[in-house]
Amino acid sequence: ETGVTQSPTHLIKTRGQQVTLRCSSQSGHNTVSWYQQALGQGPQFIFQYYREEENGRGNFPPRFSGLQFPNYSSELNVNALELDDSALYLCASSLRGVSEAFFGQGTRLTVV
Amino acid sequence: AQSVTQLGSHVSVSEGALVLLRCNYSSSVPPYLFWYVQYPNQGLQLLLKYTTGATLVKGINGFEAEFKKSETSFHLTKPSAHMSDAAEYFCAVNDSGGYQKVTFGTGTKLQVIP
Repeated sequence: ETGVTQSPTHLIKTRGQQVTLRCSSQSGHNTVSWYQQALGQGPQFIFQYYREEENGRGNFPPRFSGLQFPNYSSELNVNALELDDSALYLCASSLRGVSEAFFGQGTRLTVV
Repeated sequence: AQSVTQLGSHVSVSEGALVLLRCNYSSSVPPYLFWYVQYPNQGLQLLLKYTTGATLVKGINGFEAEFKKSETSFHLTKPSAHMSDAAEYFCAVNDSGGYQKVTFGTGTKLQVIP
């Protein structure tokens, strides 16, 4: 059984650029959630995907968008990057209706 | 709306001493409660969770937590701290059922002094 894997582990982007982060769910999980963790803060919920559709969203602007694929893997896209988007982005997978979510190692995004 | 308050952003204990990390939550419905641990440059690992049933929950690495509804608390304890316990700990709440928006606290960094 493989865990949640995220790629890349680190990347640096310039303000105004666009970025795509990827997440492979744990085997058997059909729900993916994305979180942003700024330095020194707890993770903040961005959105969740279930059956390839967004299923809830936190207080993030529309330039944060996502996709879920038939194999339950997922992407997080951020357009028009801002300096404040610098953070650790965490993906969590779970089985809908089950409370426990499993987190990946995260992608550290730095916007300069 | 759900929220979590962790008292103390930094806690220091001596090796072998009791670990107590405090967490209070706010929820309009019976919540699911979690404690996660995060080591530097790592993701989050689930330590333990409370959903229903027994209010004293045992987790990995000797940690346990007690759900106290009357106090809206879910404090994390470990009888004897080990050097490897040094990490950041997050308390989290989910009162959304199958819709898993988990709200995290701001975290407590645990330092273990030899």
